[in-house]
Amino acid sequence: GENVEQHPSTLSVQEGDSAVIKCTYSDSASNYFPWYKQELGKGPQLIIDIRSNVGEKKDQRIAVTLNKTAKHFSLHITETQPEDSAVYFCAAKTSNTDKLIFGTGTRLQVFP
Amino acid sequence: NAGVMQNPRHLVRRRGQEARLRCSPMKGHSHVYWYRQLPEEGLKFMVYLQKENIIDESGMPKERFSAEFPKEGPSILRIQQVVRGDSAAYFCASSPQTVGANVLTFGAGSRLTVL
Repeated sequence: GENVEQHPSTLSVQEGDSAVIKCTYSDSASNYFPWYKQELGKGPQLIIDIRSNVGEKKDQRIAVTLNKTAKHFSLHITETQPEDSAVYFCAAKTSNTDKLIFGTGTRLQVFP
Repeated sequence: NAGVMQNPRHLVRRRGQEARLRCSPMKGHSHVYWYRQLPEEGLKFMVYLQKENIIDESGMPKERFSAEFPKEGPSILRIQQVVRGDSAAYFCASSPQTVGANVLTFGAGSRLTVL
């Protein structure tokens, strides 16, 4: 089945710097890749997603890129702010089921 | 729209007791997913249900765990004879149809502590 790996597990940046989180997936037929943000004590919230027919998608300070050949996708956060501090999860949808398989998460800390 | 509602938010059980976690999907959503999150870990898929049907339970432990989504009422995740290893946050998510067309919306989770 699908396997999603995520790096790094922790990331500390200074306010205003950029943050990049990378994920790889194993099932070449996966076609949907969302990113979720989870704040302490809360459920994951979708922040951006990308489908396999698109290489890049941007929404204000966040962007996601997808390389289907290499089977990896990345989240980019520019001009980071302290409120960006959270755990971020990538996920991939398997080719023949409707379940999302999640990465292990990245704890992002943005220092003021 | 109240979003995905989960209750209880916190549940404490002693070993051997039963835990029942409830999930009401967003209005208009007919698909429910349960995920488990152990401390400091990611989200592990457990089960995917539609009304009155289990579609995929490949992530459910073979014993003690069961899930249902009746025609009326919330989805229930039931854990019988709980053990300390069941302590985790259990998240429910819903979607109006298949994930390929629509995203998953998560609830705030139910945190189970087994003493």
